[in-house]
Amino acid sequence: AQKVTQAQTEISVVEKEDVTLDCVYETRDTTYYLFWYKQPPSGELVFLIRRNSFDEQNEISGRYSWNFQKSTSSFNFTITASQVVDSAVYFCALSERLSGGYNKLIFGAGTRLAVHP
Amino acid sequence: NAGVTQTPKFRVLKTGQSMTLLCAQDMNHEYMYWYRQDPGMGLRLIHYSVGEGTTAKGEVPDGYNVSRLKKQNFLLGLESAAPSQTSVYFCASGDSYLSGANVLTFGAGSRLTVL
Repeated sequence: AQKVTQAQTEISVVEKEDVTLDCVYETRDTTYYLFWYKQPPSGELVFLIRRNSFDEQNEISGRYSWNFQKSTSSFNFTITASQVVDSAVYFCALSERLSGGYNKLIFGAGTRLAVHP
Repeated sequence: NAGVTQTPKFRVLKTGQSMTLLCAQDMNHEYMYWYRQDPGMGLRLIHYSVGEGTTAKGEVPDGYNVSRLKKQNFLLGLESAAPSQTSVYFCASGDSYLSGANVLTFGAGSRLTVL
């Protein structure tokens, strides 16, 4: 069955620390997509990144970086030099193929990150 | 750009009452989804639609109905609310990128409490 596991329920760090959010997935599809979404205190989910299963290159965007390793079925997210504004719940998600060629997203339970001044 | 708009934002119901949540998107997206978010469980898909006039069941469809009469609107109905339906409901829409592995745009959420 398709599944996304975010084992870290809550993480608390002090500003400027680096922090890594773990994501492990299970899928029977050979082609799939992985996502990270951010949910700030305002509540609306915001898209951060999409990665397809054929692209194992790491991605860096400013202070954010993502490490995709097919061998360990992991798609981890690192925030470098964390800031208070990074405080949010972060969701990892996996696309699941449906009949008719459509997809839906399977979300992990989320990791709540608190960055303290 | 409004993106995805959900109404109402908050609602309190008594057990057995009915209500409808409205989702409207202005991005001409084909795909629309209703998720519910509960503590420790992430987002779970209730129903989804891959186009006007079509709907399908997600992971947790029981107790809900949906309709997509117009491409821009996706309605979620609770016919007889139960306390187990207390949750935050999110609507999302997406384009038809690569057979559906699309980036979703979410609404701000609707917090429903059933007493």
